[in-house]
Amino acid sequence: AQKVTQAQTEISVVEKEDVTLDCVYETRDTTYYLFWYKQPPSRELVFLIRRNSFDEQNEISGRYSWNFQKSTSSFNFTITASQVVDSAVYFCALSRRNQGGKLIFGQGTELSVKP
Amino acid sequence: DGGITQSPKYLFRKEGQNVTLSCEQNLNHDAMYWYRQDPGQGLRLIYYSQIVNDFQKGDIAEGYSVSREKKESFPLTVTSAQKNPTAFYLCASAAGGPGNEQFFGPGTRLTVL
Repeated sequence: AQKVTQAQTEISVVEKEDVTLDCVYETRDTTYYLFWYKQPPSRELVFLIRRNSFDEQNEISGRYSWNFQKSTSSFNFTITASQVVDSAVYFCALSRRNQGGKLIFGQGTELSVKP
Repeated sequence: DGGITQSPKYLFRKEGQNVTLSCEQNLNHDAMYWYRQDPGQGLRLIYYSQIVNDFQKGDIAEGYSVSREKKESFPLTVTSAQKNPTAFYLCASAAGGPGNEQFFGPGTRLTVL
């Protein structure tokens, strides 16, 4: 069975704090893809990153960084020096090869960054 | 300006009525998807289409129907058979091939009165 778990339902931080959003996935496939999406108050999902199962390199994009570890089936997302504009719901998702690109979403983590 | 449009933004329906949600994309994407989002939950796949005139059921297809007569359009009909249709509906599209990111529309909020 394929599954994505985001155990943190809500996180609240004060501006400039660092925050890590956890994502754990389950799949028996050797080829798969992992994604992070941001859903701001407008509710339109914004794509943040994609990783395939053969690329375990960590990635940094500005204040955002991602840590992919196959050994623990995790794909965690860290925001450094958080800002109020980072307040949103963040979703981790998994897709499998030859499954039409279907995304299996976690339940999301609602991040609130207070000034 | 390339993107995905969904209309209407808000939709109200009486019980027993069918209603159709529109989704159009001008990204020249082969694949299109419909998801449903309920409060406090992730998105769940209703239907998807990888090519014109072909579509497959997702995890929660009961009470819904779709068509894919044109590459750029993938309308979703919520039928009276759908027991609990009040939700936020999101349409997405992606380039063909495995692992491509999906791009989402702004969504339609459907409320059954």
